[in-house]
Order: sequence, then C-alpha cells, then structure tokens
Amino acid sequence: AQKITQTQPGMFVQEKEAVTLDCTYDTSDQSYGLFWYKQPSSGEMIFLIYQGSYDEQNATEGRYSLNFQKARKSANLVISASQLGDSAMYFCAMSDNSGGGADGLTFGKGTHLIIQP
Amino acid sequence: SQTIHQWPATLVQPVGSPLSLECTVEGTSNPNLYWYRQAAGRGLQLLFYSIGIGQISSEVPQNLSASRPQDRQFILSSKKLLLSDSGFYLCAWSRGSNQPQHFGDGTRLSIL
Repeated sequence: AQKITQTQPGMFVQEKEAVTLDCTYDTSDQSYGLFWYKQPSSGEMIFLIYQGSYDEQNATEGRYSLNFQKARKSANLVISASQLGDSAMYFCAMSDNSGGGADGLTFGKGTHLIIQP
Repeated sequence: SQTIHQWPATLVQPVGSPLSLECTVEGTSNPNLYWYRQAAGRGLQLLFYSIGIGQISSEVPQNLSASRPQDRQFILSSKKLLLSDSGFYLCAWSRGSNQPQHFGDGTRLSIL
C-alpha cells in the first residue's frame, strides 16, 4: 500500500520568504505520480504541480517547484517569494496504480501554511 | 476548457434519510471520475472511482454507493445516512493514469 507523510502540521512564514513543505512517500510501484494541492479555507482543492516518477527534471509552475529526490522518496514543494494569499492547507498526494488504471490519489494529512505580513 | 460542477454546496440531513450528491464534468469526454471524503482537519480519502459508464469501483466498505449513468455524470448516494457520514465530499476528474485530478468545490454534509 502507498503512504504519504507530511511531517509539518503547521508553518508560519514571513511574507516574501521562500517556503519548503516536506513530503515523503512510500510505494513499491515503479511508475507513479506525485501531486501537490492547495486547499484554502473555502474548501476547494486547487492543483498546483505534478511530478512523474520517470521525470528527470524537477517540475516547476510559476512560483512553485517540486524538489524530487527519488532515492530518498521525497517530493518537497518549494514556494518562492511567498504571498499572503498562499496561506492555506497544502496536501501532497500520490497516484495509486492498484486501481486498474483509474489511479485514485493517496493524500497526506496536510500542512497548514500561514504567511505573516 | 474543462469544468466540474458539484452540488449542493452544503447539506444538512437527519440520520436515516437518503442522500444524493451529483457531479458533472464539461469540456471533456470519457474522464476518470472520483468521489473523495475529507474529515475535519484531515486529508482526503478515496471512496469510489469510475473509468466509464456503469463501471464503479469502491475503495472502502461503507454506507454509500456511487453510480455513473452518463459519461460525465457521477452520483454519490445513500439509502440511510449515519452520523459517521458527515464530512466534506469532493468530486474529481482526470484524463487518465497518473494525470492531475481536478476537483469540484465540494459538498459539506452535516448529519443531525
């Protein structure tokens, strides 16, 4: 079974600083996907970034980048130049190949990020 | 562009009453569809997924069921709600394996 671990329940960061949110995973699959989602207080889940297990380059999307270290089984999210609007819950997730192709996601418990002015 | 609609946004139901939550996707065909539940302060738990019309797989034994009567429609149901069914329910779609899943705005379900 797959497992996602996010060890930081909460983080306080000063505005404009860079933030690293930790995520480690456990899987016996060779092919998998890693995802980060943002969930503001309103509840919607917003897709941020994706990293495939065979991708050699770290994924980047605007201010978001994913620090993928396959040997360590880690997929940390880096947010550069944090903004007040970045305050939210952040979830790391992994695609699950046990579903016969539908790939439901396994989620971590999340990190509550608060950006301070 | 693709959009996903989920309703209602909030729902308060008595114990033992039936449930029907609906989710529809626009702008794509033959999507994979998913239902998740999120308990307060927790991550999401996959409940059901579907790779096609009438094809439903369940991840956890529970009081709920799902149906996919049309390609882009996914329904979550229960005949008799339990207190433990309270939570935040999210529908999602994806293009296929290892592809990002895109979520609806969710339904907050409270059971009294």
